[in-house]
Amino acid sequence: GQNIDQPTEMTATEGAIVQINCTYQTSGFNGLFWYQQHAGEAPTFLSYNVLDGLEEKGRFSSFLSRSKGYSYLLLKELQMKDSASYLCAVRARNRDDKIIFGKGTRLHILP
Amino acid sequence: ETGVTQSPTHLIKTRGQQVTLRCSSQSGHNTVSWYQQALGQGPQFIFQYYREEENGRGNFPPRFSGLQFPNYSSELNVNALELDDSALYLCASFPTSGRVSGANVLTFGAGSRLTVL
Repeated sequence: GQNIDQPTEMTATEGAIVQINCTYQTSGFNGLFWYQQHAGEAPTFLSYNVLDGLEEKGRFSSFLSRSKGYSYLLLKELQMKDSASYLCAVRARNRDDKIIFGKGTRLHILP
Repeated sequence: ETGVTQSPTHLIKTRGQQVTLRCSSQSGHNTVSWYQQALGQGPQFIFQYYREEENGRGNFPPRFSGLQFPNYSSELNVNALELDDSALYLCASFPTSGRVSGANVLTFGAGSRLTVL
């Protein structure tokens, strides 16, 4: 079976740093994605990790530990526009390469 | 390069009716996945099509069915609609199964919001 866990909601202050954690249990592993989704809109791609370590892209960074089944998304210098849901998703290593999403973390940014 | 387009954007149906949702995949993408997203939840995998065949399915009943056409566009059909089918239906495409890289990511359409009364 496959299971992806992330916190339901988080709150942070504008200008601060926030870390959103994701743990997963999947039948095989072939990459982990983070997507951002604003209310009423489609998810948009943020990052992709397939090897252990940290991937940095501007204000956003994503970390992966395959042995621990763990990832986090780090958002720095938070802006009001970062208020959104953040979705952790895993691609299983099997015939169909399907991508399974967690329930998402709703991030609220306070001024 | 065109993105993923879905139609219709919004629709209202009554319980027991049938609905067909359509998706045109991004240019160069031959794999299409469909997701159901209820309010406040993450996208739930319905099924995936590659080379006009279903090659992966989530935990959805048989009344959810689909098609993929030679031009890689796709349809999602839902029969005997139930109230709980009310959701945002997302279509996403990516290049051929196999080598995965940061560039080969799911690209989502804007979705079709279905309301069942």
